[in-house]
Amino acid sequence: GAGVSQSPSNKVTEKGKDVELRCDPISGHTALYWYRQRLGQGLEFLIYFQGNSAPDKSGLPSDRFSAERTGESVSTLTIQRTQQEDSAVYLCASRRQGAYNSPLHFGNGTRLTVT
Amino acid sequence: GNSVTQMEGPVTLSEEAFLTINCTYTATGYPSLFWYVQYPGEGLQLLLKATKADDKGSNKGFEATYRKETTSFHLEKGSVQVSDSAVYFCALNKPPNYGGSQGNLIFGKGTKLSVKP
Repeated sequence: GAGVSQSPSNKVTEKGKDVELRCDPISGHTALYWYRQRLGQGLEFLIYFQGNSAPDKSGLPSDRFSAERTGESVSTLTIQRTQQEDSAVYLCASRRQGAYNSPLHFGNGTRLTVT
Repeated sequence: GNSVTQMEGPVTLSEEAFLTINCTYTATGYPSLFWYVQYPGEGLQLLLKATKADDKGSNKGFEATYRKETTSFHLEKGSVQVSDSAVYFCALNKPPNYGGSQGNLIFGKGTKLSVKP
């Protein structure tokens, strides 16, 4: 079936503007993750949704970052008042419910550039 | 805390050369260990995994053994091909009951591999 889909694939925005990134997980995957990858760095965990449980927001770097997910479908990551240090590739991943060590399925990411 | 350290790249090899990408970890409890690969223009995908000490994960000719005594999970392949050119990420999964998100993977910085014909 279809994999994890992210849009847009690239986004260039001016400092101070708000941006919204979208993730369509694999159908039936109850767990959804957002990661950030800065140039030359590893993947940095941002937020995790699991079904109807309260999301784990412990990785969000500031209150300018927020994310929503309705049920087990689409998620949006919003960055308000973007800063240049927000420039990175934002990756979304989903996972079926089950053993905690089942693999994550990643989208191709959104490359965000803040000028 | 939990962390993953992998060798820095880029690594450039000739076709049919032997590959080792080192990965060591720090973790509480007994994490599962993973190698993910990102081919050019594609998303990350699972390459192999090992869920307990002394397990060997293998896929596409790649192998990695979960070594608890050395806290390592080095990736190896006996004969690389041009098509193996990609970025490789070592990762660990925080085990349940040790806090944080279940299934939350902690990644290394990635190692870029280029294989020349």
